[in-house]
Amino acid sequence: NAGVTQTPKFRVLKTGQSMTLLCAQDMNHEYMYWYRQDPGMGLRLIHYSVGEGTTAKGEVPDGYNVSRLKKQNFLLGLESAAPSQTSVYFCASSYGGDQETQYFGPGTRLLVL
Amino acid sequence: QQQVKQSPQSLIVQKGGISIINCAYENTAFDYFPWYQQFPGKGPALLIAIRPDVSEKKEGRFTISFNKSAKQFSLHIMDSQPGDSATYFCAAGRTGFQKLVFGTGTRLLVSP
Repeated sequence: NAGVTQTPKFRVLKTGQSMTLLCAQDMNHEYMYWYRQDPGMGLRLIHYSVGEGTTAKGEVPDGYNVSRLKKQNFLLGLESAAPSQTSVYFCASSYGGDQETQYFGPGTRLLVL
Repeated sequence: QQQVKQSPQSLIVQKGGISIINCAYENTAFDYFPWYQQFPGKGPALLIAIRPDVSEKKEGRFTISFNKSAKQFSLHIMDSQPGDSATYFCAAGRTGFQKLVFGTGTRLLVSP
C-alpha cells in the first residue's frame, strides 16, 4: 500500500517549457487535490477533483490545467512555465463523506529558470 | 484573501516546554479544524482535528483548544520534544465540501 505517490520528485524547467506532474493513489479515494507550497504562504489549493472525470478550480488555478481520467490518477499540467511557478507541489487525496482526512504525497520540487 | 490566519511564523521552545500555535478564521460556516504536521522533505500529515461541538480535544501531548465566539483555535504541545520540530499548519473546512483552507504555517524548533 503505497498511499499517495508523486512523479517526478524534482524538475528544472526553462521559462516557456511545459510539463506534467503525476499523482497516483491506491486508497480508492474519491477526492484528489493539487496544492503548491511557498515560503510564508502555506498550502494553496490549485485544482481539485471530486471524482473520476471531474475537476474544479481552487484558490490559485491560473497557469495550470488538470485531468482525472482514472480514479487513481490526477495530473497537473503547466503549459508554459513561468518563474512564478517555482514551488513545491503536493498532491493529496481523501475518501469523502465524513472521512475528511487528506493524505499527502511526498511533493515535487519545481524550479523554473 | 487570508481566510485562516496563523501565528507565530516561527517558534523556538526548550525541551519539556509548552509550544502554542494560534489560528483565527473568518468564515463562520467552517466546522472542521484540523492541524497538519510536516517534517522537512515530507508531505503534511494529519495530527489532530476538532469540530465546534467541543471546546477542547486532547491526543497524547497534543491538545486543540477551540473558541467559537472568538473564531480562534490553537494547538498546544505539552512536554515538547526535539522530535516535534516540524512545520505545523492549521486548516479549516466545511463538512461535506471536502476542501480545506490552510494557514501559513509555523516552523517549530524544540531545542535539546
